[in-house]
Amino acid sequence: DQQVKQNSPSLSVQEGRISILNCDYTNSMFDYFLWYKKYPAEGPTFLISISSIKDKNEDGRFTVFLNKSAKHLSLHIVPSQPGDSAVYFCAAKRYGGSQGNLIFGKGTKLSVKP
Amino acid sequence: EAGVAQSPRYKIIEKRQSVAFWCNPISGHATLYWYQQILGQGPKLLIQFQNNGVVDDSQLPKDRFSAERLKGVDSTLKIQPAKLEDSAVYLCASSLGHTNTEAFFGQGTRLTVV
Repeated sequence: DQQVKQNSPSLSVQEGRISILNCDYTNSMFDYFLWYKKYPAEGPTFLISISSIKDKNEDGRFTVFLNKSAKHLSLHIVPSQPGDSAVYFCAAKRYGGSQGNLIFGKGTKLSVKP
Repeated sequence: EAGVAQSPRYKIIEKRQSVAFWCNPISGHATLYWYQQILGQGPKLLIQFQNNGVVDDSQLPKDRFSAERLKGVDSTLKIQPAKLEDSAVYLCASSLGHTNTEAFFGQGTRLTVV
């Protein structure tokens, strides 16, 4: 039972264009969402997050959109750069309580071609 | 600020042997997580500590896996005896608290069981 789903295992984008990575979740108790980026042989690094009280959060070239009614979020990278090539993981958690752990999707491998 | 430190980086053992991994979290981080990431999957939580107490170990295979964080700082994860399906990257992460704060990951330990 996968609570966080990233249905596209890979995505290829031309440098300078927009990259859109998608994520769906099933647990309506999730109210905080994060995106992590992972290079080979390294641990995941935090990229951007969004609380369920918002529908958009922007940080430089990265924007995360949240559609609670559809239980869907997306990460937009614009413009895409070759250094953005990595595996991107979507993660979700419930706010507060003892269940603070992150539930991860399987990841989407982004390739940005020069 | 030093990041999350893990050792060893790589380990190869035979099935039925035992192995231990070590993690030193970011200074001041009360919450420590151990994740297992099997190839092609997202990280899966094994155990979460808040200081030296266990918050969530519901997905830890307790017949063979154990973890401790005796002084509320560094932590060890042990597998005894190892099985072939334990081959994975074991990631340690830490965060200030267990609510909506992002977790910072170490580089991981890649375990191969042959």
